[in-house]
Amino acid sequence: GAVVSQHPSRVICKSGTSVKIECRSLDFQATTMFWYRQFPKQSLMLMATSNEGSKATYEQGVEKDKFLINHASLTLSTLTVTSAHPEDSSFYICSASPMETPNTIYFGEGSWLTVV
Amino acid sequence: KNQVEQSPQSLIILEGKNCTLQCNYTVSPFSNLRWYKQDTGRGPVSLTIMTFSENTKSNGRYTATLDADTKQSSLHITASQLSDSASYICVVIPGANNLFFGTGTRLTVIP
Repeated sequence: GAVVSQHPSRVICKSGTSVKIECRSLDFQATTMFWYRQFPKQSLMLMATSNEGSKATYEQGVEKDKFLINHASLTLSTLTVTSAHPEDSSFYICSASPMETPNTIYFGEGSWLTVV
Repeated sequence: KNQVEQSPQSLIILEGKNCTLQCNYTVSPFSNLRWYKQDTGRGPVSLTIMTFSENTKSNGRYTATLDADTKQSSLHITASQLSDSASYICVVIPGANNLFFGTGTRLTVIP
């Protein structure tokens, strides 16, 4: 079945550095992918909508210069956390829907980011 | 204001027992409602998807109900197993590319 893959699954970085998280749709193309953040014991919070070939749309309160999103192809979106701080430590999840079946949503396995 | 509220916040049941999780929403318009299971540290996995006209949908031991008039949904789990321990998230979708997540119910099944 359709799978959305995220990499890395876990990453630890030093405060002030940048880290990139990839989200790939393995057997379908997606014009739109979504990035979520989830803090412990809380639900998913939409951060931004990643649109292939155009700028991402960010939710209110999400800094676009801090969370850089690139959707260079129909199967890959990347989220780069720039100048990471400990408060950016969280679980980041992406989702994607096939172009042919936009109502079908597949979530990635998530990426644990720890900023030390 | 579009909201999705789930109850209880957490639940502990004995293995083999049944349980029912609740989801109330104020999201409008309404396209479909989904229940997801999320294991700790993993991405959500879809359990059921229901549109406005569907009242019940089953997926193995999971049965979801929907009352679009009262804007309520429930997820019933029968003969619970230890592997059912997870967070269950209700997601309401009013239209394309727009999701409203509930805060989830944390289910713990104990032997």
